[in-house]
Amino acid sequence: EAGVTQSPTHLIKTRGQQATLRCSPISGHTSVYWYQQALGLGLQFLLWYDEGEERNRGNFPPRFSGRQFPNYSSELNVNALELEDSALYLCASSLLANYGYTFGSGTRLTVV
Amino acid sequence: GENVEQHPSTLSVQEGDSAVIKCTYSDSASNYFPWYKQELGKGPQLIIDIRSNVGEKKDQRIAVTLNKTAKHFSLHITETQPEDSAVYFCAARRRDDKIIFGKGTRLHILP
Repeated sequence: EAGVTQSPTHLIKTRGQQATLRCSPISGHTSVYWYQQALGLGLQFLLWYDEGEERNRGNFPPRFSGRQFPNYSSELNVNALELEDSALYLCASSLLANYGYTFGSGTRLTVV
Repeated sequence: GENVEQHPSTLSVQEGDSAVIKCTYSDSASNYFPWYKQELGKGPQLIIDIRSNVGEKKDQRIAVTLNKTAKHFSLHITETQPEDSAVYFCAARRRDDKIIFGKGTRLHILP
């Protein structure tokens, strides 16, 4: 069974640009979660999608947004990039909200 | 807001000894507590979890204990091995179904 896949692995953007990160959940998983892991910090909850709808979001500005497609894959969009957006962005999926997450390996976003 | 506190931030133990990582949570409605291991360059991997109706769970060298009254839970690793070196995160699911993570413990296994 394929795990959670994220693309790209690395992404370098200039301040002010937009970044799009992609995630494919484990087959059969309907919930997708996005977390930001800045250097030296823990995992900060960003967004949760389930059945195509946003279920919850963390304390991040509106320029962090996303969506979930009918096949349950997901995109995270970050507009007007700032230097402090540089981090590892992790996507996870689960069968239901009551189950543990399976994480992908992440996308390393660097804003210069 | 409701959060999860994790201690220590760094832990060094001799190979073969035991390691204990402790976490506390504040949302009394939390009912699911997973633990994740993150190796360098990889995403976190679920290693064990416990639900609020259970006090202890074991899986080979790993065990987790939960004290609901005190709102704390712990990870115990016995007979530590070099491959146990990693960052460990505890987490708790809040009443709004968000899973909130602790800040992590960097575990070093010394030869």
